[in-house]
Amino acid sequence: GAVVSQHPSRVICKSGTSVKIECRSLDFQATTMFWYRQFPKKSLMLMATSNEGSKATYEQGVEKDKFLINHASLTLSTLTVTSAHPEDSSFYICSASVAWAAGRSNEQFFGPGTRLTVL
Amino acid sequence: GESVGLHLPTLSVQEGDNSIINCAYSNSASDYFIWYKQESGKGPQFIIDIRSNMDKRQGQRVTVLLNKTVKHLSLQIAATQPGDSAVYFCAENPLSGGYNKLIFGAGTRLAVHP
Repeated sequence: GAVVSQHPSRVICKSGTSVKIECRSLDFQATTMFWYRQFPKKSLMLMATSNEGSKATYEQGVEKDKFLINHASLTLSTLTVTSAHPEDSSFYICSASVAWAAGRSNEQFFGPGTRLTVL
Repeated sequence: GESVGLHLPTLSVQEGDNSIINCAYSNSASDYFIWYKQESGKGPQFIIDIRSNMDKRQGQRVTVLLNKTVKHLSLQIAATQPGDSAVYFCAENPLSGGYNKLIFGAGTRLAVHP
C-alpha cells in the first residue's frame, strides 16, 4: 500500500518550453502533496506544499510563477516548469501524505522521481 | 535558519560489519524524525522513524537513536549487506507550518565492500 507514482520518469525538453510532471497516489487519498527538487549528490529541497483544492505554499526562494502546482484531486498533483532553462535541469520528487490526526507528524510516501533535462 | 546536517558525507564498511550514520539537527522543537534510504535515480525509501518522546526504536536490522539533549540522531544498520549501499538521509518534522513538512539533512553515502 501507499504507492506514489510520477510521470514521466524522464523528460528532455528544449529551453523555453514548459514541462508538466504528474504525481499520483495510487492506493490512498493524499491530504497533502509535496514537491522536492534534488541536484546531483545533494539533498532534497522542499519546493512547495499543496493541499487538494487550495493554492500551494511555496518555500522561500521558489518562484511560484515558474513552478506551477495544481492539486485538483486527492490523488493527483501536477508540477509545471514554465519556460524551462538549463538551470532547471534537476531530479524532481513528489511525496504524498495522509492526515491521520490533526495533520501532525504524518509519514510521507515518495514517488520515484522525474529526471528533467533542459537543453 | 533551521537545518539538519550530517557529520560524515561518505561511509565505507565491510560486508557484515555494523554501520552507524549520524545526523545533527538544529530545531529543538521538532517532534518527529525519519531516516530514508535513496538508491541512485530513485525516490527516498522510508527506513525507520522515531518520535521525540522516545530515545530508541528498533526495526529489522536497523536501530534509530535520538538524543534530544545534543540534538543528535543516528541510524545503526546491523550486519551491513551490499544491498544497503545507498545514500541515507535523516529528516525532521518541525512543529511550525501546520503541515507535516520535512527538512532533509545533507545525506551520507554508505558504500558496502565485499
